[in-house]
Amino acid sequence: GNSVTQMEGPVTLSEEAFLTINCTYTATGYPSLFWYVQYPGEGLQLLLKATKADDKGSNKGFEATYRKETTSFHLEKGSVQVSDSAVYFCALRNEGSGGSNYKLTFGKGTLLTVNP
Amino acid sequence: NAGVMQNPRHLVRRRGQEARLRCSPMKGHSHVYWYRQLPEEGLKFMVYLQKENIIDESGMPKERFSAEFPKEGPSILRIQQVVRGDSAAYFCASSPGTSTEAFFGQGTRLTVV
Repeated sequence: GNSVTQMEGPVTLSEEAFLTINCTYTATGYPSLFWYVQYPGEGLQLLLKATKADDKGSNKGFEATYRKETTSFHLEKGSVQVSDSAVYFCALRNEGSGGSNYKLTFGKGTLLTVNP
Repeated sequence: NAGVMQNPRHLVRRRGQEARLRCSPMKGHSHVYWYRQLPEEGLKFMVYLQKENIIDESGMPKERFSAEFPKEGPSILRIQQVVRGDSAAYFCASSPGTSTEAFFGQGTRLTVV
């Protein structure tokens, strides 16, 4: 079956620090990989995605590269801001034929707090 | 274009009562998904519906839980005879088709006392 493992939080950083949140996965087939962000009191928003090996997703200064050889999709940002404080979820979705290509499998989430 | 709307945002029920959670998908979206987030856990898939049809309910508990998406009106997730273990955040998402981006609502936080 599918599973996603992401680093345990909480993560606390100072503004302008470098961020890495690790994510590894187990999947059958050819998954697409996603990072979602949940700001306080809001729903999940898609932050970035990658659909095949070696693709790099990027948005709002965040990046993640789909590494098939290490089954990883680590989230990085060079300089975090207070407004980046949120919960970050790594997720995957199987693609292709065979059904269930609508179902997202999520990690447990990582709470990031950025202090001024 | 309004996003996915869920209500209520917060719901408190006593053990044994019924909980009804509503989800209005984005305009033009006919695919609805429900996910549950238990404390300290990631979101877990519950059910996938299209208008008037349940496509996949493999993540739904076998008893007390049901979902519908009628021809008119919002999708409803119903939990009968709630127990403390049902306390969680319930998220709805919608999409225009499968394998397309799913947009999430803000969630309903159910507390069973």
